Amino acid sequence: GAVVSQHPSWVICKSGTSVKIECRSLDFQATTMFWYRQFPKQSLMLMATSNEGSKATYEQGVEKDKFLINHASLTLSTLTVTSAHPEDSSFYICSAPARDKVGINYGYTFGSGTRLTVV
Amino acid sequence: QKEVEQDPGPLSVPEGAIVSLNCTYSNSAFQYFMWYRQYSRKGPELLMYTYSSGNKEDGRFTAQVDKSSKYISLFIRDSQPSDSATYLCAMSAGDGTSGSRLTFGEGTQLTVNP
Repeated sequence: GAVVSQHPSWVICKSGTSVKIECRSLDFQATTMFWYRQFPKQSLMLMATSNEGSKATYEQGVEKDKFLINHASLTLSTLTVTSAHPEDSSFYICSAPARDKVGINYGYTFGSGTRLTVV
Repeated sequence: QKEVEQDPGPLSVPEGAIVSLNCTYSNSAFQYFMWYRQYSRKGPELLMYTYSSGNKEDGRFTAQVDKSSKYISLFIRDSQPSDSATYLCAMSAGDGTSGSRLTFGEGTQLTVNP
Protein backbone atom coordinates (compact mmCIF):
# COMPACT_ATOMS: atom_id res chain seq x y z
CA GLY A 1 0.00 0.00 0.00
CA ALA A 2 0.86 3.73 0.10
CA VAL A 3 1.68 4.46 -3.53
CA VAL A 4 2.13 7.89 -5.06
CA SER A 5 1.68 7.92 -8.82
CA GLN A 6 3.55 10.74 -10.58
CA HIS A 7 3.07 11.80 -14.21
CA PRO A 8 4.56 12.46 -16.61
CA SER A 9 7.80 10.58 -16.05
CA TRP A 10 9.57 12.80 -18.51
CA VAL A 11 8.69 15.87 -20.53
CA ILE A 12 10.44 18.11 -23.02
CA CYS A 13 9.03 21.57 -23.54
CA LYS A 14 9.96 24.75 -25.30
CA SER A 15 11.26 27.73 -23.38
CA GLY A 16 8.42 29.99 -22.28
CA THR A 17 5.77 27.31 -22.05
CA SER A 18 4.24 25.84 -18.90
CA VAL A 19 4.38 22.26 -17.71
CA LYS A 20 2.12 20.55 -15.18
CA ILE A 21 3.26 17.61 -13.07
CA GLU A 22 0.67 15.52 -11.23
CA CYS A 23 1.00 13.38 -8.15
CA ARG A 24 -1.83 11.15 -7.03
CA SER A 25 -2.04 9.10 -3.87
CA LEU A 26 -3.58 5.83 -5.01
CA ASP A 27 -4.58 4.11 -1.78
CA PHE A 28 -4.34 6.70 0.94
CA GLN A 29 -5.25 10.30 1.58
CA ALA A 30 -2.36 12.69 1.19
CA THR A 31 -3.12 15.66 3.39
CA THR A 32 0.43 16.88 2.89
CA MET A 33 2.59 16.71 -0.23
CA PHE A 34 6.23 17.68 -0.45
CA TRP A 35 7.76 18.77 -3.73
CA TYR A 36 11.46 18.28 -4.35
CA ARG A 37 13.94 19.13 -7.03
CA GLN A 38 17.04 17.05 -7.65
CA PHE A 39 20.08 17.87 -9.75
CA PRO A 40 22.39 15.11 -11.05
CA LYS A 41 24.45 13.44 -8.33
CA GLN A 42 22.90 15.62 -5.64
CA SER A 43 20.42 14.97 -2.88
CA LEU A 44 16.82 16.11 -2.89
CA MET A 45 16.12 19.79 -2.35
CA LEU A 46 12.77 20.64 -0.81
CA MET A 47 10.94 23.25 -2.86
CA ALA A 48 7.60 23.52 -1.12
CA THR A 49 5.13 21.85 1.19
CA SER A 50 1.46 21.77 0.32
CA ASN A 51 -1.50 20.92 2.50
CA GLU A 52 -4.88 20.02 1.10
CA GLY A 53 -7.10 23.04 0.80
CA SER A 54 -4.53 25.66 1.73
CA LYS A 55 -1.70 27.60 0.13
CA ALA A 56 1.65 25.94 -0.25
CA THR A 57 4.63 26.94 1.86
CA TYR A 58 7.69 27.61 -0.25
CA GLU A 59 11.29 27.24 0.79
CA GLN A 60 13.54 30.25 0.73
CA GLY A 61 14.72 31.06 -2.76
CA VAL A 62 11.92 29.19 -4.54
CA GLU A 63 9.77 31.46 -6.70
CA LYS A 64 6.15 30.75 -5.87
CA ASP A 65 4.93 32.50 -9.02
CA LYS A 66 7.08 30.24 -11.16
CA PHE A 67 6.33 26.99 -9.36
CA LEU A 68 2.58 26.90 -8.82
CA ILE A 69 1.36 24.21 -6.48
CA ASN A 70 -2.25 23.13 -6.18
CA HIS A 71 -3.49 20.62 -3.63
CA ALA A 72 -7.21 20.80 -4.11
CA SER A 73 -8.03 17.27 -3.03
CA LEU A 74 -6.74 14.61 -0.66
CA THR A 75 -5.53 12.50 -3.54
CA LEU A 76 -4.11 14.99 -6.02
CA SER A 77 -1.39 17.59 -5.91
CA THR A 78 0.04 19.37 -8.93
CA LEU A 79 3.16 21.40 -9.64
CA THR A 80 3.09 23.74 -12.62
CA VAL A 81 6.34 25.18 -13.88
CA THR A 82 5.30 28.41 -15.54
CA SER A 83 7.22 30.11 -18.32
CA ALA A 84 9.85 27.42 -18.15
CA HIS A 85 13.46 28.20 -19.02
CA PRO A 86 16.42 25.90 -19.59
CA GLU A 87 17.64 26.48 -16.03
CA ASP A 88 14.40 24.89 -14.78
CA SER A 89 15.47 21.60 -16.34
CA SER A 90 15.72 19.16 -13.48
CA PHE A 91 14.25 16.07 -11.85
CA TYR A 92 11.11 16.87 -9.85
CA ILE A 93 9.77 14.46 -7.23
CA CYS A 94 6.75 14.53 -4.96
CA SER A 95 6.43 12.81 -1.61
CA ALA A 96 3.70 12.29 0.93
CA PRO A 97 3.53 10.90 4.46
CA ALA A 98 1.44 7.76 4.19
CA ARG A 99 -0.69 5.57 6.37
CA ASP A 100 -2.88 2.87 4.88
CA LYS A 101 -6.49 2.03 5.70
CA VAL A 102 -5.60 -0.25 8.59
CA GLY A 103 -3.31 2.33 10.13
CA ILE A 104 0.09 1.03 9.09
CA ASN A 105 2.51 3.92 8.88
CA TYR A 106 4.58 3.84 5.70
CA GLY A 107 6.67 6.84 6.51
CA TYR A 108 7.20 9.01 3.50
CA THR A 109 6.48 7.57 0.08
CA PHE A 110 7.80 9.12 -3.12
CA GLY A 111 6.57 9.42 -6.65
CA SER A 112 8.70 8.05 -9.46
CA GLY A 113 9.85 11.53 -10.49
CA THR A 114 9.52 13.72 -13.56
CA ARG A 115 12.48 14.61 -15.69
CA LEU A 116 11.89 18.03 -17.20
CA THR A 117 13.98 19.28 -20.08
CA VAL A 118 13.40 22.80 -21.33
CA VAL A 119 14.81 23.55 -24.77
CA GLN B 1 27.57 22.25 9.71
CA LYS B 2 24.94 20.15 7.97
CA GLU B 3 22.20 18.61 10.08
CA VAL B 4 22.82 15.23 8.45
CA GLU B 5 26.20 14.02 7.27
CA GLN B 6 26.56 11.09 4.89
CA ASP B 7 29.67 9.95 3.06
CA PRO B 8 28.85 10.38 -0.63
CA GLY B 9 31.24 7.63 -1.70
CA PRO B 10 31.38 6.29 -4.31
CA LEU B 11 31.54 2.85 -2.73
CA SER B 12 32.44 -0.17 -4.84
CA VAL B 13 32.22 -3.72 -3.48
CA PRO B 14 32.30 -7.25 -4.92
CA GLU B 15 29.12 -9.28 -5.13
CA GLY B 16 28.35 -11.04 -1.85
CA ALA B 17 30.08 -8.45 0.32
CA ILE B 18 28.53 -6.88 3.40
CA VAL B 19 27.92 -3.19 2.83
CA SER B 20 27.84 -0.66 5.63
CA LEU B 21 26.30 2.77 5.05
CA ASN B 22 26.28 5.43 7.73
CA CYS B 23 24.88 8.81 8.65
CA THR B 24 25.42 11.11 11.58
CA TYR B 25 23.13 13.89 12.63
CA SER B 26 23.18 16.84 14.97
CA ASN B 27 19.51 17.62 15.61
CA SER B 28 18.26 15.90 18.77
CA ALA B 29 14.68 16.46 17.65
CA PHE B 30 15.00 13.78 14.96
CA GLN B 31 13.02 10.76 16.08
CA TYR B 32 12.18 8.93 12.85
CA PHE B 33 14.82 7.47 10.61
CA MET B 34 14.58 6.14 7.10
CA TRP B 35 16.78 4.65 4.43
CA TYR B 36 15.89 5.06 0.80
CA ARG B 37 17.33 3.47 -2.32
CA GLN B 38 17.30 5.52 -5.49
CA TYR B 39 18.06 4.15 -8.90
CA SER B 40 19.14 6.54 -11.61
CA ARG B 41 16.26 8.68 -12.89
CA LYS B 42 13.79 7.16 -10.42
CA GLY B 43 12.14 8.35 -7.24
CA PRO B 44 13.50 7.15 -3.87
CA GLU B 45 12.19 3.80 -2.65
CA LEU B 46 11.75 3.29 1.08
CA LEU B 47 13.88 0.44 2.43
CA MET B 48 13.70 0.85 6.19
CA TYR B 49 11.69 3.01 8.58
CA THR B 50 12.33 3.08 12.27
CA TYR B 51 11.70 5.35 15.22
CA SER B 52 13.65 3.83 18.04
CA SER B 53 17.22 3.00 18.91
CA GLY B 54 18.28 -0.52 18.15
CA ASN B 55 18.22 -2.83 15.18
CA LYS B 56 15.55 -3.56 12.62
CA GLU B 57 15.96 -6.32 10.09
CA ASP B 58 14.19 -6.92 6.81
CA GLY B 59 15.61 -9.63 4.61
CA ARG B 60 19.17 -8.72 3.67
CA PHE B 61 18.84 -5.25 5.15
CA THR B 62 19.49 -4.24 8.76
CA ALA B 63 19.02 -0.72 10.05
CA GLN B 64 20.69 0.42 13.25
CA VAL B 65 19.89 3.54 15.19
CA ASP B 66 21.94 4.88 18.08
CA LYS B 67 20.24 8.03 19.30
CA SER B 68 22.77 8.59 22.06
CA SER B 69 25.54 8.87 19.47
CA LYS B 70 23.28 10.40 16.80
CA TYR B 71 24.40 7.73 14.39
CA ILE B 72 22.44 5.49 12.04
CA SER B 73 23.58 2.67 9.81
CA LEU B 74 22.27 0.43 7.08
CA PHE B 75 23.84 -2.96 6.49
CA ILE B 76 23.30 -4.93 3.31
CA ARG B 77 24.22 -8.60 3.48
CA ASP B 78 25.06 -10.74 0.47
CA SER B 79 25.08 -7.68 -1.77
CA GLN B 80 23.90 -8.14 -5.34
CA PRO B 81 24.58 -6.16 -8.52
CA SER B 82 20.94 -5.10 -8.39
CA ASP B 83 21.74 -3.26 -5.14
CA SER B 84 23.83 -0.81 -7.15
CA ALA B 85 22.12 2.53 -6.52
CA THR B 86 22.33 5.66 -4.42
CA TYR B 87 21.33 5.19 -0.78
CA LEU B 88 19.87 8.14 1.07
CA CYS B 89 19.40 8.41 4.79
CA ALA B 90 16.54 10.64 5.90
CA MET B 91 15.14 11.69 9.23
CA SER B 92 12.39 13.78 10.72
CA ALA B 93 11.18 15.10 14.02
CA GLY B 94 7.65 13.83 13.50
CA ASP B 95 6.24 10.62 12.08
CA GLY B 96 4.92 10.25 8.58
CA THR B 97 1.42 11.32 9.49
CA SER B 98 2.39 14.58 11.14
CA GLY B 99 3.67 16.11 7.92
CA SER B 100 7.09 16.88 9.35
CA ARG B 101 9.66 17.56 6.68
CA LEU B 102 12.43 15.11 5.95
CA THR B 103 16.08 16.02 6.18
CA PHE B 104 18.27 14.00 3.84
CA GLY B 105 21.88 13.01 3.76
CA GLU B 106 23.73 13.61 0.53
CA GLY B 107 23.40 10.00 -0.55
CA THR B 108 26.02 7.27 -0.99
CA GLN B 109 26.55 5.87 -4.46
CA LEU B 110 27.03 2.11 -4.25
CA THR B 111 28.25 -0.20 -7.00
CA VAL B 112 28.22 -3.97 -6.51
CA ASN B 113 30.48 -5.67 -9.01
CA PRO B 114 29.61 -9.16 -10.32
